[in-house]
Amino acid sequence: DTEVTQTPKHLVMGMTNKKSLKCEQHMGHRAMYWYKQKAKKPPELMFVYSYEKLSINESVPSRFSPECPNSSLLNLHLHALQPEDSALYLCASSQGFLMNTGELFFGEGSRLTVL
Amino acid sequence: KQEVTQIPAALSVPEGENLVLNCSFTDSAIYNLQWFRQDPGKGLTSLLLIQSSQREQTSGRLNASLDKSSGRSTLYIAASQPGDSATYLCAVKRRISSGSARQLTFGSGTQLTVLP
Repeated sequence: DTEVTQTPKHLVMGMTNKKSLKCEQHMGHRAMYWYKQKAKKPPELMFVYSYEKLSINESVPSRFSPECPNSSLLNLHLHALQPEDSALYLCASSQGFLMNTGELFFGEGSRLTVL
Repeated sequence: KQEVTQIPAALSVPEGENLVLNCSFTDSAIYNLQWFRQDPGKGLTSLLLIQSSQREQTSGRLNASLDKSSGRSTLYIAASQPGDSATYLCAVKRRISSGSARQLTFGSGTQLTVLP
């Protein structure tokens, strides 16, 4: 199983809403990532969790709040977003983080629209 | 700072042609280089991973090469098909001693269209 599963696939929310994106992998990977991708641009790293601890926060606004409940799950909690936050949010995982030389596996993404 | 460039930004070829996609990077101290495919509005699918000690990797009609000294990688697609139409991105993982958000750097991608 080389799948990273993301839900929901599509999400529309108002600026006052609170919602969450979810990501799950069962490959035994210990590093999980959130990326943000705007149209026709490469993915931009937001957060990295390594062994369920936050290792990297790429100066992401606090309206995005990541959570790693266990080694298989990664959530991204959304609150008071802005229309410019509309994008494709990608989850990824890899065997490790710092010394990892293995592949990065991505999910299908969650398309977020903020009205 | 690692910079990754993919040229051309877009490429259109007739079905059946063999084609080469290019990826250039500025810092040769890399762990590996990974090629991805992305269909519109979808996630990234890993195609090939080349470790820094390797020169090439093959999977089916795909062959990726790596020349660290010149800072270049190519993705060769044989006998292209309309189903190969997608955006192809390369990503380079730098060899650094501590964690950094710059560890993995993506190119901007080449949008490939294979015409039937």
